[in-house]
Amino acid sequence: GDSVTQMEGPVTLSEEAFLTINCTYTATGYPSLFWYVQYPGEGLQLLLKATKADDKGSNKGFEATYRKETTSFHLEKGSVQVSDSAVYFCALRGGATNKLIFGTGTLLAVQP
Amino acid sequence: GAVVSQHPSRVICKSGTSVKIECRSLDFQATTMFWYRQFPKQSLMLMATSNEGSKATYEQGVEKDKFLINHASLTLSTLTVTSAHPEDSSFYICSASENDRPNSGYTFGSGTRLTVV
Repeated sequence: GDSVTQMEGPVTLSEEAFLTINCTYTATGYPSLFWYVQYPGEGLQLLLKATKADDKGSNKGFEATYRKETTSFHLEKGSVQVSDSAVYFCALRGGATNKLIFGTGTLLAVQP
Repeated sequence: GAVVSQHPSRVICKSGTSVKIECRSLDFQATTMFWYRQFPKQSLMLMATSNEGSKATYEQGVEKDKFLINHASLTLSTLTVTSAHPEDSSFYICSASENDRPNSGYTFGSGTRLTVV
């Protein structure tokens, strides 16, 4: 079945460091891919998405490119801030179902 | 943008009682809503898919008599945890997708922290 594999955290960075959180997927057909962010004690917020191969999603300085050849959707940000500290979830929605399949989440801690 | 309201945000109940959690789409219609349970160390488990006007579809291993789902309108789904036990304590999150924008992603509620004592 469809699945998402996400790098384990926690990831600890200093402010202004470069961020990469790896995400790979397994799916039949052509899934849509998402990154969600969860701040402490809150629900999930959509950060960015891509619906087809080579699409780049971007928001708030974060980017991710849908790579079909490597089945990846890695999240990147050039300069993280303390306020980016949160849990980041990679997710896919397959073509055969409306279910959103999540990775296990990666905790990002940014230190001043 | 799309907003999903989840209520209550926190609830404490005694063992053996039932708790109802509401999930409302405030400015859009959602034929389908989803209920998740979040365990420690962040992982999200899909519990069930709630379908307006029909029975919910439960994921393998989720007890449908334990977690009752009702989706009576295009803007409201409810999850009732029946005869709650301490092991049901968790963070429950709902989500919905706009009927008119199937590729827009899902909007999540802010979650409900359930503590069973």
